[in-house]
Amino acid sequence: KAGVTQTPRYLIKTRGQQVTLSCSPISGHRSVSWYQQTPGQGLQFLFEYFSETQRNKGNFPGRFSGRQFSNSRSEMNVSTLELGDSALYLCASSWEGGTGELFFGEGSRLTVL
Amino acid sequence: GENVEQHPSTLSVQEGDSAVIKCTYSDSASNYFPWYKQELGKGPQLIIDIRSNVGEKKDQRIAVTLNKTAKHFSLHITETQPEDSAVYFCAASKGSGGYQKVTFGTGTKLQVIP
Repeated sequence: KAGVTQTPRYLIKTRGQQVTLSCSPISGHRSVSWYQQTPGQGLQFLFEYFSETQRNKGNFPGRFSGRQFSNSRSEMNVSTLELGDSALYLCASSWEGGTGELFFGEGSRLTVL
Repeated sequence: GENVEQHPSTLSVQEGDSAVIKCTYSDSASNYFPWYKQELGKGPQLIIDIRSNVGEKKDQRIAVTLNKTAKHFSLHITETQPEDSAVYFCAASKGSGGYQKVTFGTGTKLQVIP
């Protein structure tokens, strides 16, 4: 069974630009969560989608948005990039009938110059 | 909302020694406490978890203890090996079944010195 796939793995953007990150969950998983990881801050929850609906949202500005498609694939978008948005963005999927375990992808590392 | 504090932020141990990582949580409704290990360049992976109706769980060299009254839980790694070197995250969550609202600690970087 294929794991969670995130693309792109690395990207460099400049301030003011926007970026879209993609996540393909494990087959059969309909819940997709996004996290921002920065040194010293751990894993900060961005949002969670289930069946194309945002079910939960963290404390991030409106520049951070996401969506989920009917095949459970998810994208997140960050507009008007700031230097502080440089981070590893992790996607995790889970199964509704499971224990709550999150299955993480390897992340997309965003550098904002 | 839930707040999870994790200590220490870094930990160095000699190979063969034990390592202990401690976490506290604030929401008494939290009922699921997983621990994730993140190796360099990879995403976090679940290594052990415990539910609120259990006080201790062990899996080979790793164990987790939970004190619901004090709202703290700990990860214990015995006979540490170099491959245990990684960043460890504790988490607290509440919900049922596959839907869990998860809050992570800030992580502990464990270094096992050969």
